[in-house]
Amino acid sequence: ELKVEQNPLFLSMQEGKNYTIYCNYSTTSDRLYWYRQDPGKSLESLFVLLSNGAVKQEGRLMASLDTKARLSTLHITAAVHDLSATYFCAVDTNTGNQFYFGTGTSLTVIP
Amino acid sequence: GAVVSQHPSWVICKSGTSVKIECRSLDFQATTMFWYRQFPKQSLMLMATSNEGSKATYEQGVEKDKFLINHASLTLSTLTVTSAHPEDSSFYICSARRSGEYQPQHFGDGTRLSIL
Repeated sequence: ELKVEQNPLFLSMQEGKNYTIYCNYSTTSDRLYWYRQDPGKSLESLFVLLSNGAVKQEGRLMASLDTKARLSTLHITAAVHDLSATYFCAVDTNTGNQFYFGTGTSLTVIP
Repeated sequence: GAVVSQHPSWVICKSGTSVKIECRSLDFQATTMFWYRQFPKQSLMLMATSNEGSKATYEQGVEKDKFLINHASLTLSTLTVTSAHPEDSSFYICSARRSGEYQPQHFGDGTRLSIL
């Protein structure tokens, strides 16, 4: 069974600080996705990482993928309150037909 | 592009009734649609995968007679929760995906179902 684990599960940090969220997965996959979810809302796509070594950046968020280590990171730079949300990583199978979501990381940025 | 509309967004009903949730891809053809369930403060759990014109594939532990899925066209899938009970209360999210490699899933806004 494919497992996708995120670390940490909960994160509270002050504005202006940096932090990294980790996503480990247990099977071979070259595709990893990061999503943001605000309370009571659905998922917003942040990044799609399609190959080993892929790095993508959008604003204060940067995501990377190491398929050999089966690890993706989501790095937060100089956090602001607007980044408070739950972040999910997801991996799909090699057939591309099933998504497996990580446990989620609930981020609270304190002004 | 790639907008997925889910309807209704919130529904409250009495125990024993059936509830239908619609998922539409508005500007693309979705060969595959997915239905997820999410409990408060938990991750998304895949319930079933449906391909247009064929029977849905249910994940282990999901009752197919309880959660009826129909994917009658390339732009519409429906999830019917039959004889709903309070334990079926949850946030249900659909997603849709074009055919082809590396196509991402596009998510609907979710439906909050509350069974009294």
